[in-house]
Amino acid sequence: DAKTTQPNSMESNEEEPVHLPCNHSTISGTDYIHWYRQLPSQGPEYVIHGLTSNVNNRMASLAIAEDRKSSTLILHRATLRDAAVYYCIRNSGAGSYQLTFGKGTKLSVIP
Amino acid sequence: ETGVTQSPTHLIKTRGQQVTLRCSSQSGHNTVSWYQQALGQGPQFIFQYYREEENGRGNFPPRFSGLQFPNYSSELNVNALELDDSALYLCASSQTGLLTNSPLHFGNGTRLTVT
Repeated sequence: DAKTTQPNSMESNEEEPVHLPCNHSTISGTDYIHWYRQLPSQGPEYVIHGLTSNVNNRMASLAIAEDRKSSTLILHRATLRDAAVYYCIRNSGAGSYQLTFGKGTKLSVIP
Repeated sequence: ETGVTQSPTHLIKTRGQQVTLRCSSQSGHNTVSWYQQALGQGPQFIFQYYREEENGRGNFPPRFSGLQFPNYSSELNVNALELDDSALYLCASSQTGLLTNSPLHFGNGTRLTVT
């Protein structure tokens, strides 16, 4: 039970913003939202995580709904190197690293 | 900063055999976890080690076992291999803490094929 719901696939044009949605309607108050991505033939790569507030880092932004039942990963300008499977994961935190991955969203970037 | 390294990168074994996969954690990380990723699926949690003790396990049978060494490197052992064990095995390390939610750093995995 992945406990999150994501679209199977999305497409974006190069250099345009991408909004990857995730639903986590049964999230508990202490669960963090983590995003990882997996490029072909590589292990997953951490992208960003947050609890309640929106978060920004050099890779992406994470917008978390006020009721925390959904979140959106934002890539501000998609590049060909961003083509990957993106996983949205709930994590109870506090040293727990039993991440439950779903199938993720396969992002294709069109030149 | 050295990342997570796994060896070997590819391995072919016969059903019934045993296999050992190895992982070197990222420098400064004291927690290691292992994941199994079947083709077309997301990674599935196998178990986690902290201070050389297993402190979390997913839905995998006892023939999947592991070790963590004092230098925080780790091994995954699988006995009596089955065809369904064919998968990408991923190691991930992190710096755990009581109030942290540190991200995992994954290696690029070992591709195991059981024939």
